[in-house]
Amino acid sequence: SYELTQPSSVSVSPGQTARITCSGDMLAKKYVRWFQQKPGQAPVLVIYKDTERPAGIPERFSGSTSGTTVTLTISGAQVEDEAAYYCYSPADNYVFFGGGTKLTVL
Amino acid sequence: QVQLVESGGGVVQPGRSLRLSCAASGFTFSDYTMHWVRQAPGKGLEWVAFILSDGSNKYYADSVKGRFTISRHNSKNTLSLQMNSLRTEDTAVYYCATESGDYWGQGTLVTVSS
Repeated sequence: SYELTQPSSVSVSPGQTARITCSGDMLAKKYVRWFQQKPGQAPVLVIYKDTERPAGIPERFSGSTSGTTVTLTISGAQVEDEAAYYCYSPADNYVFFGGGTKLTVL
Repeated sequence: QVQLVESGGGVVQPGRSLRLSCAASGFTFSDYTMHWVRQAPGKGLEWVAFILSDGSNKYYADSVKGRFTISRHNSKNTLSLQMNSLRTEDTAVYYCATESGDYWGQGTLVTVSS
């Protein structure tokens, strides 16, 4: 079955660049969104259409794609960026979330 | 401003039913495909179901197919999720969200336990 694979955790120091990957066979043909979720809060959209940033999302968040892997990059990660990040992609009449990546910034 | 407010969560015994609602405001609800997404305690996000803007088509995750029914009432700006034959593994916070992912409710907790 179709899956989106993310690393379970990524750790960086403040000011460093964090990269979170999401891999899936259909990602070469389907757009990906990225969501940030902090404990006790609803998810927040940070990237859509692989590389687009919604209004109000800091410029340090960016997305890129290469074949069947998409990457969320946080350039100069801040302590407030510590959260779980999920990739999301539609596939036919189904929707998939990646398993989530816990980003630690300390 | 845009608001999505879920309600209807609670504690229910396995095998019983529960109906969740999501009240939408601040946008043209009838223009949007809508989703239900859930999150079990300490786990990741899991898509549950979505319904097209006019209610003409509905799609479900395999884990809930045949037990859950998504519906909408565009004149009342309301999205619903009828959950039957509940299982302990359905315990989660349930969120409604727009197709774009821009807007989410705050979630409602469903606990299935004897």
